[in-house]
Amino acid sequence: DARVTQTPRHKVTEMGQEVTMRCQPILGHNTVFWYRQTMMQGLELLAYFRNRAPLDDSGMPKDRFSAEMPDATLATLKIQPSEPRDSAVYFCASGSPGTGGTDTQYFGPGTRLTVL
Amino acid sequence: GDSVTQMEGPVTLSEEAFLTINCTYTATGYPSLFWYVQYPGEGLQLLLKATKADDKGSNKGFEATYRKETTSFHLEKGSVQVSDSAVYFCALSKAAGNKLTFGGGTRVLVKP
Repeated sequence: DARVTQTPRHKVTEMGQEVTMRCQPILGHNTVFWYRQTMMQGLELLAYFRNRAPLDDSGMPKDRFSAEMPDATLATLKIQPSEPRDSAVYFCASGSPGTGGTDTQYFGPGTRLTVL
Repeated sequence: GDSVTQMEGPVTLSEEAFLTINCTYTATGYPSLFWYVQYPGEGLQLLLKATKADDKGSNKGFEATYRKETTSFHLEKGSVQVSDSAVYFCALSKAAGNKLTFGGGTRVLVKP
């Protein structure tokens, strides 16, 4: 049963520290999404990649957030420096659109980030 | 821009009751429509989807019909169980592989 995995599941850090969240998409999926979930804003897209190239990162605060895909099996989301307002659950999702593919996105369990 | 509006919760029901969660959308063109479910402490799971007008998506006793004329995709289940307690999200996608635009989510609590 293929799944999207995310690490860590929980992270508590202090303001100003760097935070790195990792995602392993489902093998063979070529599209990776990063979403953030908060009580106030709901679910919002931060960025997404296709074939490891960034397609849209307009939802991401550029001054402190960065997203990369070092290889097809790993996506990272970094926050530096972190701030209390970054506290949220960060979800990674993967999918495989295109010929024979579908537009279904498969979500990981999320990383719950708390910035003190 | 595109948007999805769904009824606010929480919705509290007794077991075996009928559930309806309203969802309407604003988008140009012909988006695909989705319902995702989030159980406590977990990520979102696709519940059902419809890709064109008048399509009906169904899964686990849940159904939703893509109504272009009313720009709606209401979720229904005839007899809910305690295990259906979760947060339900309506979403749209403008093209395969593109981002999802989510509604605010509706928390459903089913009591025995």
